[in-house]
Amino acid sequence: GDSVTQMEGPVTLSEEAFLTINCTYTATGYPSLFWYVQYPGEGLQLLLKATKADDKGSNKGFEATYRKETTSFHLEKGSVQVSDSAVYFCALSDGGSNYKLTFGKGTLLTVNP
Amino acid sequence: ETGVTQTPRHLVMGMTNKKSLKCEQHLGHNAMYWYKQSAKKPLELMFVYSLEERVENNSVPSRFSPECPNSSHLFLHLHTLQPEDSALYLCASSQPGGRSGNEQFFGPGTRLTVL
Repeated sequence: GDSVTQMEGPVTLSEEAFLTINCTYTATGYPSLFWYVQYPGEGLQLLLKATKADDKGSNKGFEATYRKETTSFHLEKGSVQVSDSAVYFCALSDGGSNYKLTFGKGTLLTVNP
Repeated sequence: ETGVTQTPRHLVMGMTNKKSLKCEQHLGHNAMYWYKQSAKKPLELMFVYSLEERVENNSVPSRFSPECPNSSHLFLHLHTLQPEDSALYLCASSQPGGRSGNEQFFGPGTRLTVL
């Protein structure tokens, strides 16, 4: 079945540091890939997405590239801010089962001033 | 109201109480979902409704009873819960089959505490 593996947290960085959160997946077919973010006390918000190989999703300074050859969708940001502190979830949607999102376990990011 | 709304935002209940969680989506989607998010556990999909019909039920105990009266509203009826049911319950909606690859939109959640 489909699965998503993302790096274990927590991740603690200083403001303006470079961020990478690794995400790899297994899926049949041609999945769409997502990064969601959950700020404290809130629900999940879509951060960015990519629907086919080599697509780059970007939003709020975050980027991730859909790499079919390495089955990866790593999240990056060049300079994090305190306000980026949140839990980040990688997810995939298998085109064959249009209802389901498969989520990773989430990575807690804390950015210190 | 825009997006996906959930009420109440916080709920404390005893094990013998009956309560309901409400979700409403203002996005014109035809699929709605209930998720359970517990501390230190992955997000768990509980129920999926498409066009008001339940299409997935992931072995959820019968003390959780979903209801989808129309494509905009979703309820989760709760009765005789256990303390381990304390969690954040998230509602989501989507428009499956579209070009967005089943992007789901989430509500803010209901924080449930069972005493």
